Amino acid sequence: EDKVVQSPLSLVVHEGDTVTLNCSYEVTNFRSLLWYKQEKKAPTFLFMLTSSGIEKKSGRLSSILDKKELSSILNITATQTGDSAIYLCAVGRRGAQKLVFGQGTRLTINP
Amino acid sequence: DGGITQSPKYLFRKEGQNVTLSCEQNLNHDAMYWYRQDPGQGLRLIYYSQIVNDFQKGDIAEGYSVSREKKESFPLTVTSAQKNPTAFYLCASSRDTGELYGYTFGSGTRLTVV
Repeated sequence: EDKVVQSPLSLVVHEGDTVTLNCSYEVTNFRSLLWYKQEKKAPTFLFMLTSSGIEKKSGRLSSILDKKELSSILNITATQTGDSAIYLCAVGRRGAQKLVFGQGTRLTINP
Repeated sequence: DGGITQSPKYLFRKEGQNVTLSCEQNLNHDAMYWYRQDPGQGLRLIYYSQIVNDFQKGDIAEGYSVSREKKESFPLTVTSAQKNPTAFYLCASSRDTGELYGYTFGSGTRLTVV
């Protein structure tokens, strides 16, 4: 059975800290790994990682795909209160018609 | 601006009542999806559709029904057979099958049983 597991499920840090969120997967025919940020309602797209693009960076956020370890990390440096959200990891498979989502990590940044 | 519109934002259902959640997109996406989100459980797939007049069950389809009569629209009906319908429901769409383009999500409908 395809599985995507995120850790930790919940994390509370102080503003300015650096955080690392983890996503591991066991799927057949891996094609892509996606990160989304969900603040209140609609998840918004952050990054997509594939075999041809294993590292992405945007401002204070960065993500790396480790195909050997079947995992990905999402790093956020110099965190701000606006980074507080649920971060979702999803995996796409070749030939499949849907993404497989993890449980999400709830990140809280305290001022 | 293109996007996905879900309505209503909040919905209250009485025991034994069917309710329908609306999802409309103007992105010209072929694929549409319905997810349920409960606290601590991430997104669970209810139904999805790749083309008009065709749809498939997801992991938790029991107690739900859908239709796809138009490319733009993918309504979800929560029937009285769904024993625990209180949850946040998200609709999404994608070009092709999503693994190379990702999903665009609507803002969700929060359903509460009263």
